[in-house]
Amino acid sequence: TQLLEQSPQFLSIQEGENLTVYCNSSSVFSSLQWYRQEPGEGPVLLVTVVTGGEVKKLKRLTFQFGDARKDSSLHITAAQPGDTGLYLCAGAGTSGTYKYIFGTGTRLKVLA
Amino acid sequence: EPEVTQTPSHQVTQMGQEVILRCVPISNHLYFYWYRQILGQKVEFLVSFYNNEISEKSEIFDDQFSVERPDGSNFTLKIRSTKLEDSAMYFCASRDRGSYTFGSGTRLTVV
Repeated sequence: TQLLEQSPQFLSIQEGENLTVYCNSSSVFSSLQWYRQEPGEGPVLLVTVVTGGEVKKLKRLTFQFGDARKDSSLHITAAQPGDTGLYLCAGAGTSGTYKYIFGTGTRLKVLA
Repeated sequence: EPEVTQTPSHQVTQMGQEVILRCVPISNHLYFYWYRQILGQKVEFLVSFYNNEISEKSEIFDDQFSVERPDGSNFTLKIRSTKLEDSAMYFCASRDRGSYTFGSGTRLTVV
């Protein structure tokens, strides 16, 4: 069974601080996605990484896929209150159907 | 921005009743999925659907669940005899190449 563990589970920081969220597994994924989910809403896709070692940037967010495609990180620079939310990583297995296994989530709160 | 639309947004049903959750995927997408999220827990894969048949299903997707694409636009999840533990948010998703889009979900409450 493929599992994705995220850390930390909860994070409360001040506006302007930097933070990194980690997503780890013992399994290899063909691709990995990061989502943000608001209460009562569906997950919204932020990025998809496919190649081991790949780095993608989305404004103040930097996503990295581990070289072995087993882990990923999300780094936020100069966090803002608008970044508050639940961040989920999700990995696609190698079965070809692109079902995604979701991580446990990191709930981020950025204080003004 | 194309959207995946789910209806209803909230459904309350009595234990043992049948429910049908509806989804309209993005029109040119070919792969469809249902996921669920029990309150406070992580999002779990239920089933994937392609070319009018199930391509993969999880252990959760037992005989009480079924999916259908009755016409060219709708994708439905039927739960035949609901149990209390079926209470959750159910998300539909559709995919084309790297684009994976989730709907806003249906909150199912079984009482």
